[in-house]
Amino acid sequence: DSGVTQTPKHLITATGQRVTLRCSPRSGDLSVYWYQQSLDQGLQFLIQYYNGEERAKGNILERFSAQQFPDLHSELNLSSLELGDSALYFCASSVSGRGSTDTQYFGPGTRLTVL
Amino acid sequence: GENVEQHPSTLSVQEGDSAVIKCTYSDSASNYFPWYKQELGKRPQLIIDIRSNVGEKKDQRIAVTLNKTAKHFSLHITETQPEDSAVYFCAVNNFGNEKLTFGTGTRLTIIP
Repeated sequence: DSGVTQTPKHLITATGQRVTLRCSPRSGDLSVYWYQQSLDQGLQFLIQYYNGEERAKGNILERFSAQQFPDLHSELNLSSLELGDSALYFCASSVSGRGSTDTQYFGPGTRLTVL
Repeated sequence: GENVEQHPSTLSVQEGDSAVIKCTYSDSASNYFPWYKQELGKRPQLIIDIRSNVGEKKDQRIAVTLNKTAKHFSLHITETQPEDSAVYFCAVNNFGNEKLTFGTGTRLTIIP
């Protein structure tokens, strides 16, 4: 157990809908990262938040957005869902996000299925 | 941006033999190189990492070697066991940019 928690574990929804994925980082970690992993694909970095502020952005679609709250948990919002958004979404956390080489610890993931 | 290539994409080895997975990267400023193991449907788990001031690091049956001049690093698993079967991902970070760029993964199968 990495100490990173994600809810829900599974999510099944229809095209056009909106969902919210939640992540709680390890105690003491200030950075949260979101990744997308499609079937048999690698891990694609979406976005990073550090202590409530957006720090780095990857291949995140405009239909997707995220935020980190004062208690450091983060939410990833996916809207106007398409079939191709079906994937495993992982959250990871690390101690800091300011020019360090911290280890990233991954949560168990949320499996999103869009029908 | 950083470009990471990982080879091979699949690897089958007899139980007890060694397995080697190699990654190359493009940005010479990169200085953090973790390896993750992912079992089917589960989260990536860090198994070993190396930083650019070290050339080799070992943890029991797992070792990572780094060649900064050639910009490549490798994962070595000795005395392989069935529980080593998984997908292995290399990743590269860069000082000042916390983004991890992952390789495309290697599916390792240990044949009993």
